[in-house]
Amino acid sequence: ETGVTQSPTHLIKTRGQQVTLRCSSQSGHNTVSWYQQALGQGPQFIFQYYREEENGRGNFPPRFSGLQFPNYSSELNVNALELDDSALYLCASSSGTRGVELFFGEGSRLTVL
Amino acid sequence: DQQVKQNSPSLSVQEGRISILNCDYTNSMFDYFLWYKKYPAEGPTFLISISSIKDKNEDGRFTVFLNKSAKHLSLHIVPSQPGDSAVYFCASKGAGGSQGNLIFGKGTKLSVKP
Repeated sequence: ETGVTQSPTHLIKTRGQQVTLRCSSQSGHNTVSWYQQALGQGPQFIFQYYREEENGRGNFPPRFSGLQFPNYSSELNVNALELDDSALYLCASSSGTRGVELFFGEGSRLTVL
Repeated sequence: DQQVKQNSPSLSVQEGRISILNCDYTNSMFDYFLWYKKYPAEGPTFLISISSIKDKNEDGRFTVFLNKSAKHLSLHIVPSQPGDSAVYFCASKGAGGSQGNLIFGKGTKLSVKP
């Protein structure tokens, strides 16, 4: 069974640029969620995708957007990067049934200079 | 305002003893609670969960206790092992919320000393 994989693992961007982060869900999982974890904080929910549509969103501005593809993989896009966007971005997948447990990838560490 | 609070940023325990990690929440609509463990440079790993209809759930060395009246849950690890050293996150889910929308605390760093 393949777990959740994310790419890239680390990247550095400058303020105002755009970034795309990628996630492959665990096999058999059709729901993907994205989280932002700032230093010293717990993960914070950005949004969730199910059947290629966003079906839940946290308190993040519209410049955070996403996609889910037919193979359940997903992308997180962030436009007009700000210094405060520097964080670990975590992707999690789940089976889309009543089970709540999320399975996380190792994350993408974004640094905005 | 934080809805899930882990008030102890760190905890140090001797190997073989009990580790007790605490978590408080503010929203009585939360109906499911989870604990995750995170090692450096890895994503959080699911550890154990409990539904609001229960007050205890046990899995091997790990037991979670839920006190709904106090809006408090705790994770007990007995006996503690050096490999348990990690950051532990408490998370909750509200009834009716999207499945992937978990609210996390800030975490407690557990150090188990040999």
